[in-house]
Amino acid sequence: DAKTTQPTSMDCAEGRAANLPCNHSTISGNEYVYWYRQIHSQGPQYIIHGLKNNETNEMASLIITEDRKSSTLILPHATLRDTAVYYCIVRVDRNQGGKLIFGQGTELSVKP
Amino acid sequence: GAVVSQHPSRVICKSGTSVKIECRSLDFQATTMFWYRQFPKKSLMLMATSNEGSKATYEQGVEKDKFLINHASLTLSTLTVTSAHPEDSSFYICSATPGRFSYGYTFGSGTRLTVV
Repeated sequence: DAKTTQPTSMDCAEGRAANLPCNHSTISGNEYVYWYRQIHSQGPQYIIHGLKNNETNEMASLIITEDRKSSTLILPHATLRDTAVYYCIVRVDRNQGGKLIFGQGTELSVKP
Repeated sequence: GAVVSQHPSRVICKSGTSVKIECRSLDFQATTMFWYRQFPKKSLMLMATSNEGSKATYEQGVEKDKFLINHASLTLSTLTVTSAHPEDSSFYICSATPGRFSYGYTFGSGTRLTVV
């Protein structure tokens, strides 16, 4: 079963920051948090991942709480093309296969 | 960046026939590949994990005789849906990683299977 909980849907105004929350209260110490997004009828696209520290790349920032029980994905300046389903995933321990188990995701709608 | 090619993107087959879906890692060696299926408006459901040169590990509830997975090389895994039924119609997606100690997971673009 997925180890994450996300809101079903969110709206964001174009040009504003989109903050997508995720709860993963049962995460283990060596399990990573991954974020992917999926645009309709395409394969998931990697966004970012992290373990303890906050991470930033050209797409987004990942803020992980100190207790690691939740995280937030930030898209700093959302565009219409960012409309997609965003999945927060806790990767299964690599000694047990390191697989990604998807939860239900958040459907983000960026509006003009 | 890492690229995973999935073929075909769409396929229609008749009930009772078998269909094969290919997943190729184009610019890296994929020690491990994963197969997912996705129903409309639903999330991805992991079907199985395949490691190059060994038998696939299926998730609970997935029929291994129905969904045959072969991972004979470090760049190719195939999923064969045998004796297809209309309820097998779905979106099938593969993912590849250089290995369990890697952090990178790249997904294919998916295959839309319709069984008529």
